[in-house]
Amino acid sequence: GAGVSQTPSNKVTEKGKYVELRCDPISGHTALYWYRQSLGQGPEFLIYFQGTGAADDSGLPNDRFFAVRPEGSVSTLKIQRTERGDSAVYLCASSWGTGNNEQFFGPGTRLTVL
Amino acid sequence: AQTVTQSQPEMSVQEAETVTLSCTYDTSENNYYLFWYKQPPSRQMILVIRQEAYKQQNATENRFSVNFQKAAKSFSLKISDSQLGDTAMYFCAFMKLGNNDMRFGAGTRLTVKP
Repeated sequence: GAGVSQTPSNKVTEKGKYVELRCDPISGHTALYWYRQSLGQGPEFLIYFQGTGAADDSGLPNDRFFAVRPEGSVSTLKIQRTERGDSAVYLCASSWGTGNNEQFFGPGTRLTVL
Repeated sequence: AQTVTQSQPEMSVQEAETVTLSCTYDTSENNYYLFWYKQPPSRQMILVIRQEAYKQQNATENRFSVNFQKAAKSFSLKISDSQLGDTAMYFCAFMKLGNNDMRFGAGTRLTVKP
């Protein structure tokens, strides 16, 4: 596809479960970003990848959150022992490089923790 | 830390009229970027307009223009000839030069009325 895609579109899980959220960036984009958007708020930065490595993970709220990008393309955000407070829309974005290069966003995954 | 404030949670405008959305930010940096993003109900964030802080000239993109006041740390968005398709959440965002995480405001919900 031409844009950033994210799967699943919606995910409902129970408190304490493990979830994985997937992001397929635009082909050729070296930078990939994850954001979390809580209800009624703007997106909040979680982590940024340049290639395969996490260049900045300062936004991850705690050690239950982890993200990988093993081949420098697809990324997976992993959340262990989910809590109700993790419920939010998780947005992924990609760009050609870093700095002021435009970030192209995916449609997000809405995570609901019951 | 940089903060972005959007003081108007909701706004409405008649079709074909002009509307201005407000944004202020707080930073000690001199070089940075400012953005306005549109988020329709589909959840996909779309870049509307971008401003480099070192440029004195206000950015324009067709019906969209900004009023960038660096000393006042203000970055408002003006939408001219509003169209029904402009109905969406609008987010103001800040990014420090050389950094990669954007800081978003809480958003303004704009409704264009026929």
